[in-house]
Amino acid sequence: DTGVSQDPRHKITKRGQNVTFRCDPISEHNRLYWYRQTLGQGPEFLTYFQNEAQLEKSRLLSDRFSAERPKGSFSTLEIQRTEQGDSAMYLCASSLVGGQGHGYTFGSGTRLTVV
Amino acid sequence: GNSVTQMEGPVTLSEEAFLTINCTYTATGYPSLFWYVQYPGEGLQLLLKATKADDKGSNKGFEATYRKETTSFHLEKGSVQVSDSAVYFCAPTIQGAQKLVFGQGTRLTINP
Repeated sequence: DTGVSQDPRHKITKRGQNVTFRCDPISEHNRLYWYRQTLGQGPEFLTYFQNEAQLEKSRLLSDRFSAERPKGSFSTLEIQRTEQGDSAMYLCASSLVGGQGHGYTFGSGTRLTVV
Repeated sequence: GNSVTQMEGPVTLSEEAFLTINCTYTATGYPSLFWYVQYPGEGLQLLLKATKADDKGSNKGFEATYRKETTSFHLEKGSVQVSDSAVYFCAPTIQGAQKLVFGQGTRLTINP
């Protein structure tokens, strides 16, 4: 297992377009998290899944954002009608249930630029 | 809820200098405490952790001690290297909590 993988690494899109990002967690991890990080700031929580169930969504996650984890393995994060304010690094992390003492494993992120 | 306050950056030091990055937290319950490091253009990597009071986490020459009485988890290194240049994040979580809470990070630059 090579850790948490995110694809693509970089995405440039025009305002108003839809984009989709993918995250492949560590295979035995049943929790998967999405965070957003803007320049000079710490990561902000967006949402998390336990297996295929989406258990919490931040108020940061507007109606234009949707995340899925259909088979409890990989996850996708879609942003519809992108805006310039959506430009950020989108980070995915995974962990085991009860793994709070072990921390999360993060992917390298997808950097989104909306022009 | 949980929150964290980190020493504001940027911090610039010369190679072989002593490093301290302060971190204090507020949390209900008994948090586990983590330091993450982010190199340019990369995601976050777990640097070290401590899961109970008085525990000392250590890795790559970095250390941090869980101080429950002062709710602090300051990061230290005795002799920094240029390769330590990165952004450092302190993050608490608690048993049963579903997410890490990050501060704004401290950017560290080490000059040769």
